[in-house]
Amino acid sequence: GQNIDQPTEMTATEGAIVQINCTYQTSGFNGLFWYQQHAGEAPTFLSYNVLDGLEEKGRFSSFLSRSKGYSYLLLKELQMKDSASYLCAPAPRGGSARQLTFGSGTQLTVLP
Amino acid sequence: DVKVTQSSRYLVKRTGEKVFLECVQDMDHENMFWYRQDPGLGLRLIYFSYDVKMKEKGDIPEGYSVSREKKERFSLILESASTNQTSMYLCASIPGQGYQPQHFGDGTRLSIL
Repeated sequence: GQNIDQPTEMTATEGAIVQINCTYQTSGFNGLFWYQQHAGEAPTFLSYNVLDGLEEKGRFSSFLSRSKGYSYLLLKELQMKDSASYLCAPAPRGGSARQLTFGSGTQLTVLP
Repeated sequence: DVKVTQSSRYLVKRTGEKVFLECVQDMDHENMFWYRQDPGLGLRLIYFSYDVKMKEKGDIPEGYSVSREKKERFSLILESASTNQTSMYLCASIPGQGYQPQHFGDGTRLSIL
């Protein structure tokens, strides 16, 4: 099974930097997905980390530490449109690789 | 771009009714999924299918069944709807190989009265 923990809510100011953490315990691990979900909309893919370290993609970066069971999503130069829920999802290794378990999501509110 | 289409955005049904939620994807993906999403509980997997006529239970299959008669279509069935099945239902698909991101439909907000 999998145990995933991320903060329920976070608030930040426009233009700031925010880090959303995700810790997980899973039997068999290949990598970790991050998704963004705006209210009333479908989740959309942000990143997939397999190797340890930081991967940067524009204003968004994602970090993974496999040994610590820890990941974070870093959002820079926050914009109002970044207000959304951010979901982390560890991907299992092997036969159930297609089956993801999602965290409950972190609701980020960006204030002007 | 992958298109995952769910038949209804909003649906209202009555307790005891048999309810069908339809999902169609246009990218020939082998794998399709049904989730429900509730406040504070996140996305929970109900069923998934890795091929035509193949299905596997997810974390919360009770009260639901599924049908995959054609590769592009995956149906979720509430055999006898109950009020605790009021939720947002999301369909997703991915190709068969590798660790691809799931592509989601826009969701169906189902209310059972």
